[in-house]
Amino acid sequence: QLQLQESGSGLVKPSQTLSLTCAVSGGSISSGGYSWSWIRQPPGKGLEWIGYIYHSGSTYYNPSLKSRVTISVDRSKNQFSLKLSSVTAADTAVYYCASSLSGYDPTSVPPYYYYYMDVWGKGTTVTVSS
Amino acid sequence: SSELTQDPAVSVALGQTVRITCQGDSLRSYYASWYQQKPGQAPVLVIYGKNNRPSGIPDRFSGSSSGNTASLTITGAQAEDEADYYCNSRDSSGNHRYVFGTGTKVTVL
Repeated sequence: QLQLQESGSGLVKPSQTLSLTCAVSGGSISSGGYSWSWIRQPPGKGLEWIGYIYHSGSTYYNPSLKSRVTISVDRSKNQFSLKLSSVTAADTAVYYCASSLSGYDPTSVPPYYYYYMDVWGKGTTVTVSS
Repeated sequence: SSELTQDPAVSVALGQTVRITCQGDSLRSYYASWYQQKPGQAPVLVIYGKNNRPSGIPDRFSGSSSGNTASLTITGAQAEDEADYYCNSRDSSGNHRYVFGTGTKVTVL
């Protein structure tokens, strides 16, 4: 059973870089078909997708954060990481990591693809404050 | 388009049926996935694909899709179903991006 666990700095000063790591257990981060996502949730607000990295190493980011975000994988440690630069108070949130899978329904007209985040970490709170 | 719209809140009497909807252009190309989030907890996947439930999700949860609208139905709502529910889909722009719905708070009366 795949399990994910976030870790990293809980307090970051404005203009500095937020760094978080997601440790993957119960499976290999190099498993084909998986992508590895970061999602955040500001206090009292909804979920916001930050970005993900494919098992191949390709990365995709939320356009609103793209200039500040880097997601990377460390296969030797079976973990992936998030870096968010030039943070402000608006980046204060609970940050989640998640594993993602995809599927295809050929019986639909037209055929539909689908994507889902099947396993989530418990989340880690990051506060941006001086 | 990169938006998925949900009603902010719905209520349902205990044991009755409630449907939560999610609207967006991307749903004409991709099935939505649905997540349940209880206060202070991480989201949990409840429906994915055409109408698939992960192991451990009760069969009172079901999903459907038509045109630009995806729906999550809870048939025979229980007190423990009170939570926030979010839909999620790929962005139909073709840029491999995801988008979450605005979320629906379900209250079981």
